[in-house]
Amino acid sequence: DTAVSQTPKYLVTQMGNDKSIKCEQNLGHDTMYWYKQDSKKFLKIMFSYNNKELIINETVPNRFSPKSPDKAHLNLHINSLELGDSAVYFCASSPLGRELFFGEGSRLTVL
Amino acid sequence: GENVEQHPSTLSVQEGDSAVIKCTYSDSASNYFPWYKQELGKGPQLIIDIRSNVGEKKDQRIAVTLNKTAKHFSLHITETQPEDSAVYFCAATSGGGADGLTFGKGTHLIIQP
Repeated sequence: DTAVSQTPKYLVTQMGNDKSIKCEQNLGHDTMYWYKQDSKKFLKIMFSYNNKELIINETVPNRFSPKSPDKAHLNLHINSLELGDSAVYFCASSPLGRELFFGEGSRLTVL
Repeated sequence: GENVEQHPSTLSVQEGDSAVIKCTYSDSASNYFPWYKQELGKGPQLIIDIRSNVGEKKDQRIAVTLNKTAKHFSLHITETQPEDSAVYFCAATSGGGADGLTFGKGTHLIIQP
């Protein structure tokens, strides 16, 4: 059973398009996150979200928006994609802010 | 905000030797320091962590040490094996857990047979 699953695993798209990455966790965790890993492997938090509060990293462009239909899902929507958005995006979850459980990542390539 | 520096960026060791990865942090309020291992094509996975009220923690071949005065912490892997090859990330936060983690830039550990 996959604990944190993301789809799609690979996404290739043109500049200017809008795309979404889905994330689901079956661990019953309270908090979910989106991280961006660039080509140099640098991991940076984008959002953290529980059923009460969304915390946004102030450096994230407002073209990126998380959407949570329920406690087990946190999807990432990206509008007007740019070349610099190419990266691997990781979803993660955590029980009460403790250890992070990461998904396997979604590699986004913008052409 | 917190700033975490990690060294070296690449580390190559012979199988069976020890490996040490070092990190420094800037925020004296930081109280939780996890280490994550990322294998190729996978997401990072927690391997060990330490809190600011402890100076050292060990789990089989892996140990972490923390020097709060100097604001640095280190990961030690003994008797390295091929499966230890991966990218290792240190992180720090004053939040006590997963929230507000600032990651180092990672160390690519290569175990030479």
